[in-house]
Amino acid sequence: QQQVKQSPQSLIVQKGGISIINCAYENTAFDYFPWYQQFPGKGPALLIAIRPDVSEKKEGRFTISFNKSAKQFSLHIMDSQPGDSATYFCAASKGGFQKLVFGTGTRLLVSP
Amino acid sequence: KAGVTQTPRYLIKTRGQQVTLSCSPISGHRSVSWYQQTPGQGLQFLFEYFSETQRNKGNFPGRFSGRQFSNSRSEMNVSTLELGDSALYLCASSLGTSADSPLHFGNGTRLTVT
Repeated sequence: QQQVKQSPQSLIVQKGGISIINCAYENTAFDYFPWYQQFPGKGPALLIAIRPDVSEKKEGRFTISFNKSAKQFSLHIMDSQPGDSATYFCAASKGGFQKLVFGTGTRLLVSP
Repeated sequence: KAGVTQTPRYLIKTRGQQVTLSCSPISGHRSVSWYQQTPGQGLQFLFEYFSETQRNKGNFPGRFSGRQFSNSRSEMNVSTLELGDSALYLCASSLGTSADSPLHFGNGTRLTVT
């Protein structure tokens, strides 16, 4: 059962453009939503995270938008750069535990 | 500060064998989690350990087991390997056990079962 659905599977964006990746969850008990970035041959690295009592969180060029009623959240990468080309995973956890349920990943390619 | 170290990086085993993977967390981190990453199933949670105690376990068969030592280093073991166990096994450490305590992943051990 896919508890966190992520789209699109792949994304091509021109340098300077905005990359948008969407996730939807089913379990309303989830209370922590991180995004991870993974480069080939490396483990995932935490980018940014949000809790459902906040509708938006921004860190540099990365912004999470959260819609609790729709059970959806998204990652926006502003001014996308070729160095942002990686696979991005949304995730969710509940009850203050570290057990993460991951989305299926989005492969982002930023063209020069 | 050194990151999470996983050994070995690559491993090739035969169906039916068993394998042990090792993880050294970041110095001072007492929580260790393990995840399996495959193209088909994505990233799936295996276990979480804190102070040598398993706090959480994912939906994997009993052939998958793990442990944590007093120095926070962790090992996971897979017995009676199956072809479907071929995957990248990722270890992550964190300072605390709450969801807010960021997970720091190693670069994984790539296991191939033939």
